[in-house]
Amino acid sequence: GQQVMQIPQYQHVQEGEDFTTYCNSSTTLSNIQWYKQRPGGHPVFLIQLVKSGEVKKQKRLTFQFGEAKKNSSLHITATQTTDVGTYFCAGPRGTYKYIFGTGTRLKVLA
Amino acid sequence: GAVVSQHPSRVICKSGTSVKIECRSLDFQATTMFWYRQFPKQSLMLMATSNEGSKATYEQGVEKDKFLINHASLTLSTLTVTSAHPEDSSFYICSARLPGHSGEQYFGPGTRLTVT
Repeated sequence: GQQVMQIPQYQHVQEGEDFTTYCNSSTTLSNIQWYKQRPGGHPVFLIQLVKSGEVKKQKRLTFQFGEAKKNSSLHITATQTTDVGTYFCAGPRGTYKYIFGTGTRLKVLA
Repeated sequence: GAVVSQHPSRVICKSGTSVKIECRSLDFQATTMFWYRQFPKQSLMLMATSNEGSKATYEQGVEKDKFLINHASLTLSTLTVTSAHPEDSSFYICSARLPGHSGEQYFGPGTRLTVT
């Protein structure tokens, strides 16, 4: 069945360092979403990418959708302690259902 | 906007009893809601899709008789864990799709279920 994997599983960075998480799907995706879940919290929608090769930026966050629409990445420039949490990508299965990736847990050391 | 609530936030129940969890969209109508289960430090596992006015569709491996879903109105979906056992202990999260938007989901705060 459809699988969405993320690497790395964990990442510890010093505050100010950059961070990247990679998302890989076993199937071609029509779009991909990214969510952030703070410790003890619930997932919060960040962005959706639709076009092949699309790049979108939200302040220090840069999201990219691969040319083949099977992979995506999230890059955070100059991490801050507020970036702590788990970042999930999610790929659609069917009309509205989404399958979540395995997640990357980010810890930022002050 | 796009606020989803869940109740209760935490519940402890005895093995063999049933527990109902409510998921409400507070400021929008949601024809489709989703129920997820999340184990500690793991990803979200989609359990079922709740459709207003029709039967829920369950993911493979999820027992429909154990996890009863009712979506009686455009703002309320309920998940009932029947005859709960300790292995049902988990974090249950609902989400709702915002109509007119391409697919982004808004999540409730989750319900921590502990079965003793």
